[in-house]
Amino acid sequence: EVQLVESGGGLVQPGGSLRLSCAASGFTFSSYWMSWVRQTPGKGLEWVANIKQDGGEKYYVDSVKGRFTISRDNAKNSLYLQMNSLRAEDTAVYFCARDSGRYDPFDYWGQGTLVTVSS
Amino acid sequence: DIVMTQSPDSLAVSLGERATINCKSSRSVLYSSNNKNYLAWYQQKPGQPPKLLIYWASTRESGVPDRFSGSGSGTDFTLTISSLQAEDVAVYYCQQYYSTPPTFGQGTRLEIK
Repeated sequence: EVQLVESGGGLVQPGGSLRLSCAASGFTFSSYWMSWVRQTPGKGLEWVANIKQDGGEKYYVDSVKGRFTISRDNAKNSLYLQMNSLRAEDTAVYFCARDSGRYDPFDYWGQGTLVTVSS
Repeated sequence: DIVMTQSPDSLAVSLGERATINCKSSRSVLYSSNNKNYLAWYQQKPGQPPKLLIYWASTRESGVPDRFSGSGSGTDFTLTISSLQAEDVAVYYCQQYYSTPPTFGQGTRLEIK
């Protein structure tokens, strides 16, 4: 059974940093692109970033470029999102999601982890 | 970026009746070289992540009941639930994966009348 379990969310002050993790199981993690997608009541679902199987390609939504870094450790079946210079508008539930490929839908999602940026 | 616009924002349908949700993209998501529409539909129930229902505009994901169907091409797409069941109450999203960044519609809330 495919499982994606996010962790690392919490309350952080504006300008602060947070690192999200996603533990994957039930499939060959190293064979899939992976993404982070966030959800807010106001903006709905927003794709944040994705990463190729070997980590050699990474793409970001414009609003997080230069602040967020996606990475993965295939030996640990884990996906990460390092979030720096956090802003109030980054407040959201962050999901990790599996892509079959760069241009494919998200076929499995984790339950999400809440990030709140507030003073 | 490709903008996805869904209509209506909310919809109330009687049990057993048909529900139709529309999705329009600001640019075509039909890739001519393989004649595939890079369009997916998701269902999200309260407290749960989105669940993939339909991809390539009309292909049902494994395990999805056949009362769910997708249609359309180019810029205009439709998700149809042929006979609404109580468990179909949810928010439905369309998403294009034709280009980066992949983008979602704003969602359509489906309720029982």
